[in-house]
Amino acid sequence: GAVVSQHPSWVICKSGTSVKIECRSLDFQATTMFWYRQFPKQSLMLMATSNEGSKATYEQGVEKDKFLINHASLTLSTLTVTSAHPEDSSFYICTYREPDTGELFFGEGSRLTVL
Amino acid sequence: GQNIDQPTEMTATEGAIVQINCTYQTSGFNGLFWYQQHAGEAPTFLSYNVLDGLEEKGRFSSFLSRSKGYSYLLLKELQMKDSASYLCAVHNDYKLSFGAGTTVTVRA
Repeated sequence: GAVVSQHPSWVICKSGTSVKIECRSLDFQATTMFWYRQFPKQSLMLMATSNEGSKATYEQGVEKDKFLINHASLTLSTLTVTSAHPEDSSFYICTYREPDTGELFFGEGSRLTVL
Repeated sequence: GQNIDQPTEMTATEGAIVQINCTYQTSGFNGLFWYQQHAGEAPTFLSYNVLDGLEEKGRFSSFLSRSKGYSYLLLKELQMKDSASYLCAVHNDYKLSFGAGTTVTVRA
């Protein structure tokens, strides 16, 4: 199956700083990647859909100016949490869905802790 | 909107069987996934049901009834390593919506 590599696995930052999370497709080209967020003991919630070469599509309630998504190439999608605050502390995970089968391939996830 | 319900927690004994139910009410339906997620890790794929019926894959089986908006994941011959969260997810159009997950604890 498809391999999705996500980096960093975990990051601790100070409040007010920005953090970038990268998601790479290693053995395929992804025109679309999905970014999810998961708070402790809660479900994965779709934040946005990143589209190669165009603007991301954000879910209702997700601030597009705070969570910047860039999908400049077919192998790299990035999520930048700008001016992070403690309430942004969460598990962020990128996902690719294989168009023929619908199967999801997850990145390893990035655990963000904002102090 | 999407409404996906599954129990919060379940406990079972090693070697036993556990059934995790999932009911859903969604706008559109293409299929239903089950994922296993260990704490701090990404989910891993278990099954994908599109048609009604039971699909068996080793110790794990998944059932779907589209008319009832109902699915279950059956874990047989439970092992300690099966202790994890199990996520039910409904695929409709281009989105995948997740339930909150069921934490299964396997005891010796």
